Amino acid sequence: DTAVSQTPKYLVTQMGNDKSIKCEQNLGHDTMYWYKQDSKKFLKIMFSYNNKELIINETVPNRFSPKSPDKAHLNLHINSLELGDSAVYFCASSQEPQAGANVLTFGAGSRLTVL
Amino acid sequence: EDKVVQSPLSLVVHEGDTVTLNCSYEVTNFRSLLWYKQEKKAPTFLFMLTSSGIEKKSGRLSSILDKKELFSILNITATQTGDSAIYLCAVEAFWAGNTPLVFGKGTRLSVIA
Repeated sequence: DTAVSQTPKYLVTQMGNDKSIKCEQNLGHDTMYWYKQDSKKFLKIMFSYNNKELIINETVPNRFSPKSPDKAHLNLHINSLELGDSAVYFCASSQEPQAGANVLTFGAGSRLTVL
Repeated sequence: EDKVVQSPLSLVVHEGDTVTLNCSYEVTNFRSLLWYKQEKKAPTFLFMLTSSGIEKKSGRLSSILDKKELFSILNITATQTGDSAIYLCAVEAFWAGNTPLVFGKGTRLSVIA
């Protein structure tokens, strides 16, 4: 059983298009995240959701919108894609941070290529 | 601004060598430091360190934290080709009830036979 699963794994699209990446976790975790990993492998947090409330938004353009229909899902929708959006996007989840360790479990990543 | 700096950025060693990876940090309200190993896909968790001077060990890997000097090291002894990966250091800062992780840029380790 995959703990954190993302779809699609690969996505190739044209500039200006709108696309979504879905994420689901079956760990019963309270917090889910989206990270962006650039071509230099640098991981940067984009969003964090806790009990369907956005708790972190790290100066990400408003073309990116996270959607969480329930605690187990956090989808990422991107409008008007730009070349610079090409990256690997990782979904992750963790237990409620105040409860202790904020150890993240990552999904396998979704590689987005914008042409 | 919180930051995490890892060194070296890349490293090539031969099987059997011992390597030391470094991670220094500047963060307000430090809570913990974590090490991850990233091979082809998702990073996988290695260690979480919260107290200075207490070594965490798992097989050939070990790590220790120095909260006074604000750094951590990850040691790998008797390296194998399967250790080839990017090793990520992340620091957890506690603020306003939320604990985001700040990642370093990683150290790319290549172990050759």
